[in-house]
Amino acid sequence: AQSVSQHNHHVILSEAASLELGCNYSYGGTVNLFWYVQYPGQHLQLLLKYFSGDPLVKGIKGFEAEFIKSKFSFNLRKPSVQWSDTAEYFCAAGSGAGSYQLTFGKGTKLSVIP
Amino acid sequence: NAGVTQTPKFRVLKTGQSMTLLCAQDMNHEYMYWYRQDPGMGLRLIHYSVGEGTTAKGEVPDGYNVSRLKKQNFLLGLESAAPSQTSVYFCASSRSSNQPQHFGDGTRLSIL
Repeated sequence: AQSVSQHNHHVILSEAASLELGCNYSYGGTVNLFWYVQYPGQHLQLLLKYFSGDPLVKGIKGFEAEFIKSKFSFNLRKPSVQWSDTAEYFCAAGSGAGSYQLTFGKGTKLSVIP
Repeated sequence: NAGVTQTPKFRVLKTGQSMTLLCAQDMNHEYMYWYRQDPGMGLRLIHYSVGEGTTAKGEVPDGYNVSRLKKQNFLLGLESAAPSQTSVYFCASSRSSNQPQHFGDGTRLSIL
């Protein structure tokens, strides 16, 4: 069965620090990858997605992620975080076209200190 | 732009009671999903539907039933609520299988 691992449960950063959140998936075939963000008390929103092509994907709000197939990884990055980035971040993977299901990681809570 | 709407937003039930959570989407999406979110567990798929009149089991389907009688609605039922079903439930929809899912605001359900 496919699984998604997020290495950090809780990350605390000061404003302007750089961010990298780790995500590894277990599926070996074609895979679609997503990062979602959940702000406190809100629903999940899509940050960015990777289906194919350029492995460096740019999303909203200055976030980007890099797909490294050899490492089964899809890490999320942001050069300089803001207090408003405080949220929980979820990595998700779907096993390519025709897959109806996404497998979500357990989430990483990000706290940004002003 | 409503997107995905869930009702109710909060509910408290007693063990053994039944209830139905409603999810409605106005984006003409074919696929709809029900997840539960528990602390430290991420989102786990309960049931999903790939079109009107179809349903399928996800990762944690036990104790839940679903129906998709209309394309825009996906109902999640708890026949006999148990404390282990205390959770936040999210509905989502997507245009196709490999397109991003759009989420509702969630239903916070407590079973006493």
